[in-house]
Amino acid sequence: AQTVTQSQPEMSVQEAETVTLSCTYDTSENNYYLFWYKQPPSRQMILVIRQEAYKQQNATENRFSVNFQKAAKSFSLKISDSQLGDTAMYFCAFMKGSYQKVTFGTGTKLQVIP
Amino acid sequence: SQTIHQWPATLVQPVGSPLSLECTVEGTSNPNLYWYRQAAGRGLQLLFYSVGIGQISSEVPQNLSASRPQDRQFILSSKKLLLSDSGFYLCAWSDWGTTKSYYGYTFGSGTRLTVV
Repeated sequence: AQTVTQSQPEMSVQEAETVTLSCTYDTSENNYYLFWYKQPPSRQMILVIRQEAYKQQNATENRFSVNFQKAAKSFSLKISDSQLGDTAMYFCAFMKGSYQKVTFGTGTKLQVIP
Repeated sequence: SQTIHQWPATLVQPVGSPLSLECTVEGTSNPNLYWYRQAAGRGLQLLFYSVGIGQISSEVPQNLSASRPQDRQFILSSKKLLLSDSGFYLCAWSDWGTTKSYYGYTFGSGTRLTVV
């Protein structure tokens, strides 16, 4: 079974600074998908960014980018120019399989400080 | 465009009472549907998933059940709630997009269930 580990339960960053959230996963699969989801205080889960494992190029979405290290099974999220609206719980997630079942990490609570 | 609706948003139920949470999807057909539970301060745990009408797979043994009476309707139920059933329940559907590239889940807005 796949596991996803987020070793940073809580983090904080000053507004306009850059922060990196860590994620590692364990799988024997070669092709899979990885995601970062954001859950703000409203608790609505929002997809931030996704990465297809067969693509070596790191995904980027505006201020959000990932560092995907397939051999190391590492998938970190970098948030540049942090904004107050980035305050949320961030979940790393893994998907493989015909039924698209997703395994989530335990989350990192990010606080952006004004 | 596709949307997902989940209700109710908040529910307070006594121990031993029944439960019914509903999730519907619009704008797509034959979606894969999922129920997750998020306990306080923890990640999301997959409870059930469905790949078609009447097809339910359970991921963990529990006091809950799920049903899919229509293509775009997914229901989470219990005959008798336990205190341990309290949590935040999320419905999701799986999105392959239009280019056969997997986009991930789209989630409903969630139901906060408190069993008292």
